[in-house]
Amino acid sequence: DSGVTQTPKHLITATGQRVTLRCSPRSGDLSVYWYQQSLDQGLQFLIQYYNGEERAKGNILERFSAQQFPDLHSELNLSSLELGDSALYFCASSVRGNEQFFGPGTRLTVL
Amino acid sequence: GQNIDQPTEMTATEGAIVQINCTYQTSGFNGLFWYQQHAGEAPTFLSYNVLDGLEEKGRFSSFLSRSKGYSYLLLKELQMKDSASYLCAVRDSNYQLIWGAGTKLIIKP
Repeated sequence: DSGVTQTPKHLITATGQRVTLRCSPRSGDLSVYWYQQSLDQGLQFLIQYYNGEERAKGNILERFSAQQFPDLHSELNLSSLELGDSALYFCASSVRGNEQFFGPGTRLTVL
Repeated sequence: GQNIDQPTEMTATEGAIVQINCTYQTSGFNGLFWYQQHAGEAPTFLSYNVLDGLEEKGRFSSFLSRSKGYSYLLLKELQMKDSASYLCAVRDSNYQLIWGAGTKLIIKP
């Protein structure tokens, strides 16, 4: 158990819908990262937050947005969903730039 | 641009030794990480190298040569449970992690 929690574990929705994925980092970790991993693909970095502020952006679509709240939990919002958005979404946390600890992921299926 | 190269797939035999290579070209270097990821599960941290040389941790060792932009992960006494993907990631000058696509390791009895 990495100490990072993600909810929900599974999510099934339809094209065009909007969903919110939630992540709670390890106690004391100020950095939160979001990743997308499609079937048999590598990790695609989406976005990083540090203590409530956006720190870095990767290959995140305009239909996707994220935020980190004062209690340090983070949410990833995915809207106008397409079939190609079906993937595993991981959240990770770290102390500054040290090793990242990953949550169990949310498996999103868009039908 | 920033680039990390790893072999896509490797096959090895139970009980043997395998070496997974990683070469990188990044904007600056502040350390290299290896992660293990079983199918459908989260990546888990294996090792960290920031200075040249070999770091040993049980059956797993990781080597770094900064001048060559090269690292390898060495797995000894392979077990069936070592079948997984192995991800190489480099921390660049902005302290951002650049990820390789991963090497899928298949262990055969």
